[in-house]
Amino acid sequence: AQSVTQLDSQVPVFEEAPVELRCNYSSSVSVYLFWYVQYPNQGLQLLLKYLSGSTLVKGINGFEAEFNKSQTSFHLRKPSVHISDTAEYFCAADTGGFKTIFGAGTRLFVKA
Amino acid sequence: ETGVTQSPTHLIKTRGQQVTLRCSSQSGHNTVSWYQQALGQGPQFIFQYYREEENGRGNFPPRFSGLQFPNYSSELNVNALELDDSALYLCASSFGTSGPYTTDTQYFGPGTRLTVL
Repeated sequence: AQSVTQLDSQVPVFEEAPVELRCNYSSSVSVYLFWYVQYPNQGLQLLLKYLSGSTLVKGINGFEAEFNKSQTSFHLRKPSVHISDTAEYFCAADTGGFKTIFGAGTRLFVKA
Repeated sequence: ETGVTQSPTHLIKTRGQQVTLRCSSQSGHNTVSWYQQALGQGPQFIFQYYREEENGRGNFPPRFSGLQFPNYSSELNVNALELDDSALYLCASSFGTSGPYTTDTQYFGPGTRLTVL
């Protein structure tokens, strides 16, 4: 069965510092992986997705993620965060069907 | 703005009642998925509709049902509401180029916050 684990429920970081949000997945088959961001009182917005090919995926707002098959990880990174990056971030996975499995979320809090 | 709208924004119901939530997809999107997001958790897949037919369902009982209309709007109906149904309900639309696959980018609406008392 598929599962997605986000290893940190909250990540506080100072503005302009780098950040990494960790995500591990469990699947016996090939997976497609996603990162979404959710701002307060809004729906989810796709940051980036990995389907195949290069393991380093670049997304919007300066975020990138690296697919590591041997470690079953898909960590999200940004070299320099802004106050406006404060939000909830969700890692998600699916095996190419109709069902997307989400992690529990990581709250990124950027401090001035 | 994703072009996906949901109504109402907030809703309060009592246990045992029935509720209908509505979603208006992006123009031309033929696939809509519904998710339940309990407080402090990630979204849980309820079901997906592709070209007006249910394409798949998550681990939700039959009292959760849906409809998708020719104009790509959709509804989520929940009967016999329970306290645990209190959550944010999200719809997400996408355009399946060769079927209802989630590798197509999903565009989420802002959600409907349902409170069951």
